[in-house]
Amino acid sequence: SQQGEEDPQALSIQEGENATMNCSYKTSINNLQWYRQNSGRGLVHLILIRSNEREKHSGRLRVTLDTSKKSSSLLITASRAADTASYFCATSSGGSNYKLTFGKGTLLTVNP
Amino acid sequence: DGGITQSPKYLFRKEGQNVTLSCEQNLNHDAMYWYRQDPGQGLRLIYYSQIVNDFQKGDIAEGYSVSREKKESFPLTVTSAQKNPTAFYLCASSIGRAQETQYFGPGTRLLVL
Repeated sequence: SQQGEEDPQALSIQEGENATMNCSYKTSINNLQWYRQNSGRGLVHLILIRSNEREKHSGRLRVTLDTSKKSSSLLITASRAADTASYFCATSSGGSNYKLTFGKGTLLTVNP
Repeated sequence: DGGITQSPKYLFRKEGQNVTLSCEQNLNHDAMYWYRQDPGQGLRLIYYSQIVNDFQKGDIAEGYSVSREKKESFPLTVTSAQKNPTAFYLCASSIGRAQETQYFGPGTRLLVL
């Protein structure tokens, strides 16, 4: 069963613009992670935010977490063509810190 | 270079055939995972292993089998019982309970002839 659901399914922007992707989930979580996947490749970890954190930054990435709304957002600022990829949120919940449940992803296209 | 390798990159399976996908890591991670990804979909967990000689079924284990005889290796066999095996298969590893970030291999695309 899918825990996280990303929104929108696809997003197309111009280079230099900001991109915002959202993730909603259903049950309480231990942490939430964002991953990037270039076409036909493996996933790359971007950032992890724990349930007691509200915001984290890493370079041009900003992640927020609202546990009351069971949602998270990923903001990529000053986007580049190289940011074109699918972005997935993944949640860890319950007693297992091993199992991650992935959403279906947002396909981001950054046009030069 | 530390990382996770998967082979082959492409694999073709005939009807009734079992095929094995390789996954090796030199990150000294205790935990390893196998996921299946279908077009336009997220990842679904097939099997995971928290430690050598132990593994657990994930959400879609039917038609698949694994072994974990060495810390570095976690091969996945797609058996003839898996009726719809065409997919992209991803292997991942993580340090263990204290660190949940997973590190992924480049994937194997399995196609049915």
